[in-house]
Parts: sequence; C-alpha cells; structure tokens
Amino acid sequence: DAGVTQSPTHLIKTRGQHVTLRCSPISGHKSVSWYQQVLGQGPQFIFQYYEKEERGRGNFPDRFSARQFPNYSSELNVNALLLGDSALYLCASSLAGRPYEQYFGPGTRLTVT
Amino acid sequence: RKEVEQDPGPFNVPEGATVAFNCTYSNSASQSFFWYRQDCRKEPKLLMSVYSSGNEDGRFTAQLNRASQYISLLIRDSKLSDSATYLCVVNKDNFNKFYFGSGTKLNVKP
Repeated sequence: DAGVTQSPTHLIKTRGQHVTLRCSPISGHKSVSWYQQVLGQGPQFIFQYYEKEERGRGNFPDRFSARQFPNYSSELNVNALLLGDSALYLCASSLAGRPYEQYFGPGTRLTVT
Repeated sequence: RKEVEQDPGPFNVPEGATVAFNCTYSNSASQSFFWYRQDCRKEPKLLMSVYSSGNEDGRFTAQLNRASQYISLLIRDSKLSDSATYLCVVNKDNFNKFYFGSGTKLNVKP
C-alpha cells in the first residue's frame, strides 16, 4: 500500500505570495495532521483534521489555514508568506482507532525568498 | 516555555554501548507520551509509546515519571543503525494535539 504522499516535493516562493500544499493519507486513515519543521528543530504542530473537521490547532497565525476533503486528502494554505515560513512541511495520517500512531509523509520543502 | 524539552546532543557512543535520553514536558495535563525516530532527511517514525509503568521493546526501554514530568529512553547494545535523531512527543486533548521536542541526535560509532 502507498504511504502518505505530499506534493509538491519542493517549492520556492517570494515574500507576500500564497502557497497551497497537498497531502494524501494512507488508505483508510481519516485523520490528517500538519506540521512545520525548521532545520534543527522538531516538528511543530499546526492543525489536525478528522472527518473534515478541525480537531486541533497549534500556535500559528491566521495566515495558516487548512481543510480536509471528503476523500480525506488535505490542503495546507499559507498566505502572505514570510521568510520565516521557510521550512519542511510534514503531513501525517492515522487510523481512527490508533490516533497516537502517526505516519508521516516525506514533506514539502518550502523556501521563501 | 517550550512544551517539550530535550538535550540536543549529539551523543557519540561506540557500538554496544548503553545510552539514555531524557525529556521533560511542561504541561501536567499532557495525556500520552511517545518516542519517534527521525533519520537524516527522512520523515519521523513512531518508535514506541511510553506507559506509566514503563515499557520495553527489545533493546529499547521507555520510562515515564508523571510527578516530575519526565520521560526517558534507554537503548542497550547500541547498533550502527540506531544512529538517528530521537524525538520526544507529548499529546494533549485526546490526541488532537501532538507536541514534539527538538530531538536528541545519536551517533553510534564502530
């Protein structure tokens, strides 16, 4: 079975632009979480979605938003990009019955110039 | 104050050594605890959950001290393949929020 997939793999944007990152969970997984990982740091929790509803939100500004679709795939949107938004954005999915076991995708490397 | 604090290391140990990592968490309402492993330029992967009574999985032993808000991971008989960054993870709000530490880097040398 395919693991968690994310697209694009790499992305370069300019300050002030908008970006959309995409994630497809493992088949059967209904929960999707988004994380930001800056080099040398652990992943920082941004959002969790379950059954298309936001279930958790981390300490990120309103420029960050997300949604989950009926097929459980998800998008992370970031508006008005700042240089500090440059990071690896990770998506993780989990089964409803095992929410603590998160499977991560390879991430999208975002560079803001 | 960060939710989860870890010693960044690196810990440089020879093969066969025993090494221990520690982690502290700030919120006493934290509910569940985990160790994840992240290889260089790879995504994190669940290593093991941490139970109140302590638990073991092969060469790995995890301990939790709720009173001190402290979690540990012990690796016995280190292998070269254990070289990675070990992330301490704390969960709140019924698995709706996960907080990762910055990670502790382990280098196992031949």
